[in-house]
Amino acid sequence: AQSVTQLGSHVSVSEGALVLLRCNYSSSVPPYLFWYVQYPNQGLQLLLKYTSAATLVKGINGFEAEFKKSETSFHLTKPSAHMSDAAEYFCAVRTDTGGFKTIFGAGTRLFVKA
Amino acid sequence: EAGVTQFPSHSVIEKGQTVTLRCDPISGHDNLYWYRRVMGKEIKFLLHFVKESKQDESGMPNNRFLAERTGGTYSTLKVQPAELEDSGVYFCASSEGRYNEQFFGPGTRLTVL
Repeated sequence: AQSVTQLGSHVSVSEGALVLLRCNYSSSVPPYLFWYVQYPNQGLQLLLKYTSAATLVKGINGFEAEFKKSETSFHLTKPSAHMSDAAEYFCAVRTDTGGFKTIFGAGTRLFVKA
Repeated sequence: EAGVTQFPSHSVIEKGQTVTLRCDPISGHDNLYWYRRVMGKEIKFLLHFVKESKQDESGMPNNRFLAERTGGTYSTLKVQPAELEDSGVYFCASSEGRYNEQFFGPGTRLTVL
């Protein structure tokens, strides 16, 4: 069975600082990995996805994530935080053999201080 | 192109009442999924339709929940009777094929008093 663990339910950074949101997954087969973002009063928006091509995945709004199989991690980073990045971020996993459902982590709320 | 839409955006009902949530997927998407997030916990899978057929309903919590997808278009999720623990945000997603990206709707926030 697949699972996702997001370290830290809340992360606070200053504007212009590095954003690092941590995600570890568990999967017995090659996974598809995703990061979604939810802005207030909006639906989930796909930031980026890993589908077994390049291990460093670039997404929208300057975010990127690196798939590290040895560490079973898929951490999300952005070099310089902007106030508009304040939102809740979800790491998720899906596999071909696990049905087509997406398994989500508990979410990390990002606060950006001026 | 319109995205996934859900109605209502919010619903407040009393314990024991019935509520029906609706999801309109992106046009042409055969795959439709329901998820829910209860009390700030993980977003959890409820079920998956392929056209009008239920492909996987392993996440449905109990028989108070009934999902339908008439004619393979929109879907409804009925909760009858609602209990306090059903409060949360119910998300719908759709995808063109099973391996394609799932696009999520804005969710319906359900509050059971």
